[in-house]
Amino acid sequence: AQSVTQLGSHVSVSEGALVLLRCNYSSSVPPYLFWYVQYPNQGLQLLLKYTTGATLVKGINGFEAEFKKSETSFHLTKPSAHMSDAAEYFCAYRSGGSYIPTFGRGTSLIVHP
Amino acid sequence: DAGVTQSPTHLIKTRGQQVTLRCSPKSGHDTVSWYQQALGQGPQFIFQYYEEEERQRGNFPDRFSGHQFPNYSSELNVNALLLGDSALYLCASSLTTLGANVLTFGAGSRLTVL
Repeated sequence: AQSVTQLGSHVSVSEGALVLLRCNYSSSVPPYLFWYVQYPNQGLQLLLKYTTGATLVKGINGFEAEFKKSETSFHLTKPSAHMSDAAEYFCAYRSGGSYIPTFGRGTSLIVHP
Repeated sequence: DAGVTQSPTHLIKTRGQQVTLRCSPKSGHDTVSWYQQALGQGPQFIFQYYEEEERQRGNFPDRFSGHQFPNYSSELNVNALLLGDSALYLCASSLTTLGANVLTFGAGSRLTVL
């Protein structure tokens, strides 16, 4: 069965610091990988996705993620955190033969002034 | 272009009651998925509807049922409510394909069971 693990339920950074949110998946089949963001009292919004091709994927709001097959990872980064980045971030995995993505438990990003 | 709309946004029920949640998908989308998000957790898949049929179901009891209408809108029904059903219920629409189709989420319906 496929699963998604997000390391760290909370990540705290200072404004202007590097953001790194970790995601690992477990599956033997090629993945589609996604990062979603959820602001308070809102639904999930797509940040970026990996399908095939270039392993470094750029998304909205300055975020990017790199697919590393050998490490089964898809970590999310942003060079410089902004206060408005404070939110819940979810990594999701879907195999090519499935219609249904599996979500991780989420990581809450806290940004300090 | 309207995205996914859900109603109601908030509701309070008591144990044993029944609830119906509604979802209108994004224009052009034909598939609707429902997720339950408990506080501090990731979304858990309930079921997905395509062509008015339940295509896939997650690990939820039969108390959870749904429907999709010819205009692609959908309902989620929960019978015999339990305290543990308190959660944010998210509807997501997509265009069905085994490619990297992306889910578009609504803002959710927050259900509180007392």
